[in-house]
Amino acid sequence: AQTVTQSQPEMSVQEAETVTLSCTYDTSESDYYLFWYKQPPSRQMILVIRQEAYKQQNATENRFSVNFQKAAKSFSLKISDSQLGDAAMYFCAYTRGSRLTFGEGTQLTVNP
Amino acid sequence: EPEVTQTPSHQVTQMGQEVILRCVPISNHLYFYWYRQILGQKVEFLVSFYNNEISEKSEIFDDQFSVERPDGSNFTLKIRSTKLEDSAMYFCASSEGGQGTYEQYFGPGTRLTVT
Repeated sequence: AQTVTQSQPEMSVQEAETVTLSCTYDTSESDYYLFWYKQPPSRQMILVIRQEAYKQQNATENRFSVNFQKAAKSFSLKISDSQLGDAAMYFCAYTRGSRLTFGEGTQLTVNP
Repeated sequence: EPEVTQTPSHQVTQMGQEVILRCVPISNHLYFYWYRQILGQKVEFLVSFYNNEISEKSEIFDDQFSVERPDGSNFTLKIRSTKLEDSAMYFCASSEGGQGTYEQYFGPGTRLTVT
């Protein structure tokens, strides 16, 4: 079974600084998709960024980028120029089809 | 912008009672999902639904759970006889397609409290 692990329960960053959230996963498949979801205090899950495993180029979305290391099964999220609104729980997720498998989450605090 | 809606936002029920959680997926989406999140834990997949039948379910989704699309807009999750451990946030999601290329859009969740 696929598993997703986030080893950082909590992280903090100063406003305008950069922070990296870690995620590792375990799969025997070669084609799959990886995601980072944000869950603010409202609890709604919001997609931040997506990476297709067959693409070598790392995905970027404005201030958010990933470092995808397929051989190492690592998928970290970098948030640049952190803003107060980035404070949330961040979940790494994996799918090969429709079922999303989530990690335990990292609670990100942004300090003014 | 289209969004997934869920009702109620909070449901309190007594152990052993039946509950129905309701979701209205985005109108042109074909795949529907339920996930749950016990407080302080990770989000867990329950079931996916396509073409009026379950396409995949997890080991959590046992005989006390059922899903239905009773009409063209609603998607429901029924828990027949609730247990204390069913207390959780339940999220509905929908997507245009069933592969990972299609984003799953999540609703705001229903908080279920079983007493």
